[in-house]
Amino acid sequence: AAGVIQSPRHLIKEKRETATLKCYPIPRHDTVYWYQQGPGQDPQFLISFYEKMQSDKGSIPDRFSAQQFSDYHSELNMSSLELGDSALYFCASSLGRPSGANVLTFGAGSRLTVL
Amino acid sequence: AQKITQTQPGMFVQEKEAVTLDCTYDTSDPSYGLFWYKQPSSGEMIFLIYQGSYDQQNATEGRYSLNFQKARKSANLVISASQLGDSAMYFCAMTDSGGGTSYGKLTFGQGTILTVHP
Repeated sequence: AAGVIQSPRHLIKEKRETATLKCYPIPRHDTVYWYQQGPGQDPQFLISFYEKMQSDKGSIPDRFSAQQFSDYHSELNMSSLELGDSALYFCASSLGRPSGANVLTFGAGSRLTVL
Repeated sequence: AQKITQTQPGMFVQEKEAVTLDCTYDTSDPSYGLFWYKQPSSGEMIFLIYQGSYDQQNATEGRYSLNFQKARKSANLVISASQLGDSAMYFCAMTDSGGGTSYGKLTFGQGTILTVHP
């Protein structure tokens, strides 16, 4: 079965650089979520999109922006990177509101290291 | 606002024994969903089990069962017959009905690291 695809899997950047993470949701899933998981931390919700419109916003820094495109893939853009941005970034998708029948499925994550 | 609390930073269990991972939650929303995810050292998040706030029966999925006590706002995960491959971080998470434009994002607990000994 198709899963959530994230790229790149690993990314190393210098401070103040820019990074872009991509997410391809499961086909026909209409909702995409981005999470940030710092070392030893629980995943923190950043932002979500439903049918290409932003549906909710969490603790996403102003330096970050995201969008969902017409083909439902999503990109998370991070600028002026800081050391504290080093984390595992998850994209997840669901068909409507997550439930037992519509499980929120996570990608394998993109590990960003800022030096 | 929702809050998930996992009070056990780490748990140890002998192979083939059962283990319970605790999770308590707080929400004012009468409609919510509770999830457990497993995160192995490789990093991916694997869905284990789901319980809806209106579900009458406790959820079960193979060796996983959820001990749902609504009045106590607890949703403990029970893993029966532990296997070495169960060693991982386990997260409890919840979603609400998603008022307004919110569409049911997950809020996670702090996680519990489970170690299964041979």
